[in-house]
Amino acid sequence: RKEVEQDPGPFNVPEGATVAFNCTYSNSASQSFFWYRQDCRKEPKLLMSVYSSGNEDGRFTAQLNRASQYISLLIRDSKLSDSATYLCVVNRGGYQKVTFGTGTKLQVIP
Amino acid sequence: EAQVTQNPRYLITVTGKKLTVTCSQNMNHEYMSWYRQDPGLGLRQIYYSMNVEVTDKGDVPEGYKVSRKEKRNFPLILESPSPNQTSLYFCASRVPGTGGYEQYFGPGTRLTVT
Repeated sequence: RKEVEQDPGPFNVPEGATVAFNCTYSNSASQSFFWYRQDCRKEPKLLMSVYSSGNEDGRFTAQLNRASQYISLLIRDSKLSDSATYLCVVNRGGYQKVTFGTGTKLQVIP
Repeated sequence: EAQVTQNPRYLITVTGKKLTVTCSQNMNHEYMSWYRQDPGLGLRQIYYSMNVEVTDKGDVPEGYKVSRKEKRNFPLILESPSPNQTSLYFCASRVPGTGGYEQYFGPGTRLTVT
């Protein structure tokens, strides 16, 4: 089983739709969680950190479920500019032990 | 402007010809790291450095070397490149610590080894 698993997609959604991605992780000692965005083989950029209480940034909401060992990202009112690959990132515990998921591709269509 | 730079951005080379990919950051970050990204495998950490003269192996270090003589620079060295090292390489830096901090990535180096 991979340490961090994501559905690769692609998720094709119309503009204005709400879309949700999940990411599961296998190491229960994992400490920190993030969502990064990557455009077309460019460098990944931090979208948001994921906190235990859940957090929201505009149209984006991130949730953490430690009991079931997954994190989620919800995008409301999808824009064409949201088209990208979304990477789930988990700090597995210990210093500098970071694992990236393989990414979920989102395509927002007009 | 805060940034991580990598050079070259694109490189085509032949098996066995030593090469170095440079990485430099201007944010005074202590922690730097190299990743490779391959289809279906995501980003995998090659080496990381917690400070000057302190480096350690990541998940896929075979065939690579690094050095950290200065805080701002973290070059990746392929002493004898092979075709299985054809990949997209990213350098990253961030503030140190065991918690979650944002990593800043360079623009990537696309390497092809024939």
